[in-house]
Amino acid sequence: DAGVTQSPTHLIKTRGQQVTLRCSPKSGHDTVSWYQQALGQGPQFIFQYYEEEERQRGNFPDRFSGHQFPNYSSELNVNALLLGDSALYLCASSFREGSYEQYFGPGTRLTVT
Amino acid sequence: SQKIEQNSEALNIQEGKTATLTCNYTNYSPAYLQWYRQDPGRGPVFLLLIRENEKEKRKERLKVTFDTTLKQSLFHITASQPADSATYLCALDISRTGRRALTFGSGTRLQVQP
Repeated sequence: DAGVTQSPTHLIKTRGQQVTLRCSPKSGHDTVSWYQQALGQGPQFIFQYYEEEERQRGNFPDRFSGHQFPNYSSELNVNALLLGDSALYLCASSFREGSYEQYFGPGTRLTVT
Repeated sequence: SQKIEQNSEALNIQEGKTATLTCNYTNYSPAYLQWYRQDPGRGPVFLLLIRENEKEKRKERLKVTFDTTLKQSLFHITASQPADSATYLCALDISRTGRRALTFGSGTRLQVQP
């Protein structure tokens, strides 16, 4: 049973560019959440998708957007990249009606130069 | 403002001793609190969840307590081993909606010396 997978592993972009990160949830999970983790900090909640809709959003600007597909996989898009967007982006999946624990992927390390 | 604080950035202990990590929060009334372990360059891994009506939860060498009056959770690792060295994160669902949008503390880095 594959866990949460994310791609790519690492990414280097230039300020002003756009980036798309991808996530496949754990088998049987229907809810995907995205987090941003700066170095030395805990993960910060960006948003959550369920039934292909954004259900909750953290304190992130509209430059951050996402999508969930019918197979529950998800994408995170960031437009007009800033140096401060450099971080580890984590995807977490869970089953809406199941336990509260979340399963995290290995993350995508984004570096903005 | 709402805040979650974990006791220190780093904790060094000797193998075999008990590690105690602290998580304090303000302005929340969480329905539950979770603890995760994170190794360098990896995603967090769920360890334990404790609900607001539970005082204590155990799993093997791990023990979590939850005091909603003090707004504090303590995380204990007994008989610690070098393999326990990692960063430990506490997390709350501040919305109480059960939708699992977690707010994390900044973590405590535990180093267990052989």
